[in-house]
Amino acid sequence: ELKVEQNPLFLSMQEGKNYTIYCNYSTTSDRLYWYRQDPGKSLESLFVLLSNGAVKQEGRLMASLDTKARLSTLHITAAVHDLSATYFCAVDDGERGWGRDDKIIFGKGTRLHILP
Amino acid sequence: SQTIHQWPATLVQPVGSPLSLECTVEGTSNPNLYWYRQAAGRGLQLLFYSVGIGQISSEVPQNLSASRPQDRQFILSSKKLLLSDSGFYLCAWSVRGKVRGAFFGQGTRLTVV
Repeated sequence: ELKVEQNPLFLSMQEGKNYTIYCNYSTTSDRLYWYRQDPGKSLESLFVLLSNGAVKQEGRLMASLDTKARLSTLHITAAVHDLSATYFCAVDDGERGWGRDDKIIFGKGTRLHILP
Repeated sequence: SQTIHQWPATLVQPVGSPLSLECTVEGTSNPNLYWYRQAAGRGLQLLFYSVGIGQISSEVPQNLSASRPQDRQFILSSKKLLLSDSGFYLCAWSVRGKVRGAFFGQGTRLTVV
């Protein structure tokens, strides 16, 4: 059974600081996704990582994937208050293409609070 | 472009009443469809997923059920709600192979009283 673990689950940090959220998973999946959720809202897709060594960047956020270590990181550079949200990683639990098992399993989320 | 519609946005139901939440996707064919539930302050729990009409996989045994009567329609139901069914229900879709991940509807906040 695929397990996805994020840490930390809660992070309070000052504006301008750097920090990293970690996502570990238990199978050999090579597809990993990062989402953002604002309070009371649905999930917004941030990054799609489809291969070992993939790196994606958008503004102050950068995500990377190491499939050998079964680890993805979401790095925040010079945090600003607007980045306060809950961040989820999710992992593909199915076979590629027309797989029999097409689950996407989420971690518990990292609640990020950035202090002005 | 593809869009996903989920309704209602909020719902307050008494214990023991039935439930029907509907989700439809536009602009794509043969999507994978998912129902997730998020309890207050918690992560996302996969409830059901479907790879085609009539093909439903259940992840968690409970008093909920799902149906896919049409290619782009996914319905979550219950015959009798429990207090523990309260939460934020999210419908999502993905293309085959999930190369773009999943896309979420706006969610339904269900409160069982």
